[in-house]
Amino acid sequence: QVQLVQSGAEVKKPGASVKVSCKASGYTFTSYAMHWVRQAPGQRLEWMGWINVGNGNTIYSQKFQGRVTITRDTSASTAYMELSSLRSEDTAVYYCARPYNTWEPAFDIWGQGTMVTVSS
Amino acid sequence: DIQMTQSPSTLSASVGDRVTITCRASQSISSCLAWYQQKPGKAPKLLIYKASSLQSGVPSRFSGSGSGAEFTLTISSLQPDDFATYHCQQCNSYPLTFGGGTKVEIK
Repeated sequence: QVQLVQSGAEVKKPGASVKVSCKASGYTFTSYAMHWVRQAPGQRLEWMGWINVGNGNTIYSQKFQGRVTITRDTSASTAYMELSSLRSEDTAVYYCARPYNTWEPAFDIWGQGTMVTVSS
Repeated sequence: DIQMTQSPSTLSASVGDRVTITCRASQSISSCLAWYQQKPGKAPKLLIYKASSLQSGVPSRFSGSGSGAEFTLTISSLQPDDFATYHCQQCNSYPLTFGGGTKVEIK
């Protein structure tokens, strides 16, 4: 079945970086984009950016520009999201999500989420 | 950025009730709106896309309507499995943005 499986929970110190992986299966990885969305405790869902898996092009939210990098490894059917210069406000569950089509991105497949805790 | 405002933020209802949730965009987003259901500790689940298209496998008691800047999600007869938080999301322009969520609680 179509699924996205993310890497496990992380605990990081302020100023560090975190890299979360998202392995796709059950569909042709290069045929769909991949987006990243986060949810801080008690907060609304927040879109971070996306990657065109076919050509590697990325678009990031201005809020995270300069701190976030989204990449992919097509040979491993895996997408990655790296967030640097972590601060306590980055404590959140991070999700990868596949849009049902590139031009009207609503997300029909989600990873299970990766909890990232930033604490000294 | 397009701001998405959901109302109410919390809704108390009973099994069998008809429930309506509203989502307003700060500007027109055509029909590029999705609705999700989320349960505690789980990822969101797509219910409705393109404002009114029912995602495959989603029960027909869920329906969406609206265009432009005002949208609604309706549950025609609330079932025990429907107690959850519901989110809207605009897909018209980047950055994609979500509403603040509506928690549907048992009355």
